[in-house]
Amino acid sequence: QKEVEQNSGPLSVPEGAIASLNCTYSDRGSQSFFWYRQYSGKSPELIMFIYSNGDKEDGRFTAQLNKASQYVSLLIRDSQPSDSATYLCAISGGYNKLIFGAGTRLAVHP
Amino acid sequence: ETGVTQTPRHLVMGMTNKKSLKCEQHLGHNAMYWYKQSAKKPLELMFVYSLEERVENNSVPSRFSPECPNSSHLFLHLHTLQPEDSALYLCASSQDLMTSGTNTGELFFGEGSRLTVL
Repeated sequence: QKEVEQNSGPLSVPEGAIASLNCTYSDRGSQSFFWYRQYSGKSPELIMFIYSNGDKEDGRFTAQLNKASQYVSLLIRDSQPSDSATYLCAISGGYNKLIFGAGTRLAVHP
Repeated sequence: ETGVTQTPRHLVMGMTNKKSLKCEQHLGHNAMYWYKQSAKKPLELMFVYSLEERVENNSVPSRFSPECPNSSHLFLHLHTLQPEDSALYLCASSQDLMTSGTNTGELFFGEGSRLTVL
């Protein structure tokens, strides 16, 4: 079983819609969860992190965490074409490491 | 310069060549990392350095040899690579190691070195 699983996509949404990106993980001991965005040909950049169960909002982005279900998601409201990218879910993997999923490609079309 | 810079951006090498990738961070961070990114696969952590000391070697073949001469510079020396080593090699830095209570898990990545092994 992969440690962090994401649907590879592409997830296609119309401009202005809500994009929902999902991630499941296998290590129940994970404490910290992160969403990175990677534009094509660019390096990943952190957009959200969440430690506690529930929702965390930052502008158009909402991260949701459910540790009992080992599930973390990212909602993007009012999606824009500039949001088109690959979104990487990452979890803290004990000492010194973040464990990444393979990413979900999001395509927002006008 | 700011951030994390990597050179070269693109590298093509034969299986018998020896080359090096260079990474420099201008953020005053204490931890540096090498990651490998292959198509459709998760980022794979290769090496972790904290204040020039290697703290993690993630079962990486010996044909990859890291070097961290100071907290701002990180090298990845390559020799006798295989075609399956072709990938994007990303360098990253963070203020402290991920185990630090003050660390939000923010890694600052360089633009990567795209390696092709023929």
